[in-house]
Amino acid sequence: DQQVKQNSPSLSVQEGRISILNCDYTNSMFDYFLWYKKYPAEGPTFLISISSIKDKNEDGRFTVFLNKSAKHLSLHIVPSQPGDSAVYFCAAAGGGGNKLTFGTGTQLKVEL
Amino acid sequence: EAGVAQSPRYKIIEKRQSVAFWCNPISGHATLYWYQQILGQGPKLLIQFQNNGVVDDSQLPKDRFSAERLKGVDSTLKIQPAKLEDSAVYLCASSGLGRIEAFFGQGTRLTVV
Repeated sequence: DQQVKQNSPSLSVQEGRISILNCDYTNSMFDYFLWYKKYPAEGPTFLISISSIKDKNEDGRFTVFLNKSAKHLSLHIVPSQPGDSAVYFCAAAGGGGNKLTFGTGTQLKVEL
Repeated sequence: EAGVAQSPRYKIIEKRQSVAFWCNPISGHATLYWYQQILGQGPKLLIQFQNNGVVDDSQLPKDRFSAERLKGVDSTLKIQPAKLEDSAVYLCASSGLGRIEAFFGQGTRLTVV
């Protein structure tokens, strides 16, 4: 039972353009959402998070949008840079605990 | 601030052997997690400690996996005996008390042959 889904295994965008990574969830108890970035042979690195009381959170080039009614969130990267090429994981927590449930990841490739 | 330290980085063992992984969390972080990441999947929580007590071990295969966190700091994860399907990256993470954002170590890549 995959409670957090990232349906696009890969995404390719050109440098300078916008990257949009999507994530869907099924568990209504989730109330906190995070994005992690992972380079090969390294652990995931925390990128940005959003609480369910908000619908948008911004940090520099990274913005996360949350649509609670659709149980959908997205990560926007503008402008995309070659160094952004990595696997991006969506994660969710809720029900009063801080256990993270991860999606399967999206491989982003930013091309010159 | 030093990050989460894990060792070893890589380990190759034969099936039915035992193996242990070590983790030192970020200083002051009360919560420590062990995750298993199988190739092509997202990390899956195996066990969560708060200080030296277990908060969640519902997905830990307790017939072969064990973990401890002595003195509420370092932690070890052991597999005995290993199976082929245990081949994965084992990630340790920590977070501050009451915080949800977890910070990960580089992981240990285990190959069982």
